[in-house]
Amino acid sequence: AQKVTQAQTEISVVEKEDVTLDCVYETRDTTYYLFWYKQPPSGELVFLIRRNSFDEQNEISGRYSWNFQKSTSSFNFTITASQVVDSAVYFCALSAVAPGDMRFGAGTRLTVKP
Amino acid sequence: DAMVIQNPRYQVTQFGKPVTLSCSQTLNHNVMYWYQQKSSQAPKLLFHYYDKDFNNEADTPDNFQSRRPNTSFCFLDIRSPGLGDAAMYLCATSSNRGRRETQYFGPGTRLLVL
Repeated sequence: AQKVTQAQTEISVVEKEDVTLDCVYETRDTTYYLFWYKQPPSGELVFLIRRNSFDEQNEISGRYSWNFQKSTSSFNFTITASQVVDSAVYFCALSAVAPGDMRFGAGTRLTVKP
Repeated sequence: DAMVIQNPRYQVTQFGKPVTLSCSQTLNHNVMYWYQQKSSQAPKLLFHYYDKDFNNEADTPDNFQSRRPNTSFCFLDIRSPGLGDAAMYLCATSSNRGRRETQYFGPGTRLLVL
């Protein structure tokens, strides 16, 4: 069985603060992919990153960074110097065996206040 | 730009009146997905097409049907919408030729049932 847990339902920060969104996953597969998507108020799910299970290198893209640790089954997402435009719901997702097998976490609603 | 397009963005229908939502893509992806997302919830997969092969999720109600006349287009038919079917419907595509690829989402169609 596959499962993604995003324990933080809502987070509120003030602009320029750093914020980390947690993601913990469960899978029995040795080959899998982890994703983060952003869903702004407009509703579209915007792809942010994909990481495969054999690549534990952390990744940085501008103000965004991701920490993948297989030992703790976590794939956490950090936004540095948050901005109001970062306000959205963020989903972590896991895909293992086949097409259609993607499992989403419940999402974390991030509010960045000016 | 290559993309996933959903029409209409907003759809209002009456209780029990059939409605069709459409999705098209210019990415030439072989897999297309339909998700239902209710307020403050994660997207829930309804079904997907792997090329022409239709794959229904076990808990997708019979009220929901889909058609994929060609690679580019996919339709979601709701035969007799109920009030509980009011939701955002998201279409996504991926290229799964031999490996698990990222799903790219359209902007969604928000369905209101009166």
